[in-house]
Amino acid sequence: EPEVTQTPSHQVTQMGQEVILRCVPISNHLYFYWYRQILGQKVEFLVSFYNNEISEKSEIFDDQFSVERPDGSNFTLKIRSTKLEDSAMYFCASSPGTSGVGEQFFGPGTRLTVL
Amino acid sequence: EDQVTQSPEALRLQEGESSSLNCSYTVSGLRGLFWYRQDPGKGPEFLFTLYSAGEEKEKERLKATLTKKESFLHITAPKPEDSATYLCAVQAKDMRFGAGTRLTVKP
Repeated sequence: EPEVTQTPSHQVTQMGQEVILRCVPISNHLYFYWYRQILGQKVEFLVSFYNNEISEKSEIFDDQFSVERPDGSNFTLKIRSTKLEDSAMYFCASSPGTSGVGEQFFGPGTRLTVL
Repeated sequence: EDQVTQSPEALRLQEGESSSLNCSYTVSGLRGLFWYRQDPGKGPEFLFTLYSAGEEKEKERLKATLTKKESFLHITAPKPEDSATYLCAVQAKDMRFGAGTRLTVKP
């Protein structure tokens, strides 16, 4: 069964460093998403991406965040200058269809630890 | 502001003891309501989508229902492997998740 994959599973970085989290969405899906979940808290929407551009973004997704689909399979989240409060689990998700409405399939997550 | 509230926060059941989880929401322009299951340290696993009041979906021991203000996830005769956190999410402009109900089913 196709699934969303994410790498790395765990990333440790120093405050102020740049990190890139990688995702391979399900191959025929058209909508891609990033979410974060701070330990013990709710899953929070960051951004949705469709047709090579951002579709929606939350107030969390400020100028230090960016997303990119560098090729036909990968979808990346870049955090330019990490802060302690960026420590969280980051989930990538993808969804079939062109409306952006419907079930989203999540990857296993990348645990980001900022020291 | 869009809000999703799940109750109870935690629920402990004996194997075979049926119960219901609640998700109440206030959202402008609901496009869909979703139920996910999340195991510790893993990503949410899709269970159901509901689009309009009165709709019901069923899968094995789980049944989801939707009204204009809330959704219920009914668990019939649960087994220990049903232990997980169950998340409700509503989609309007973006997807907004509730805090989840942590379900423990004891053998």
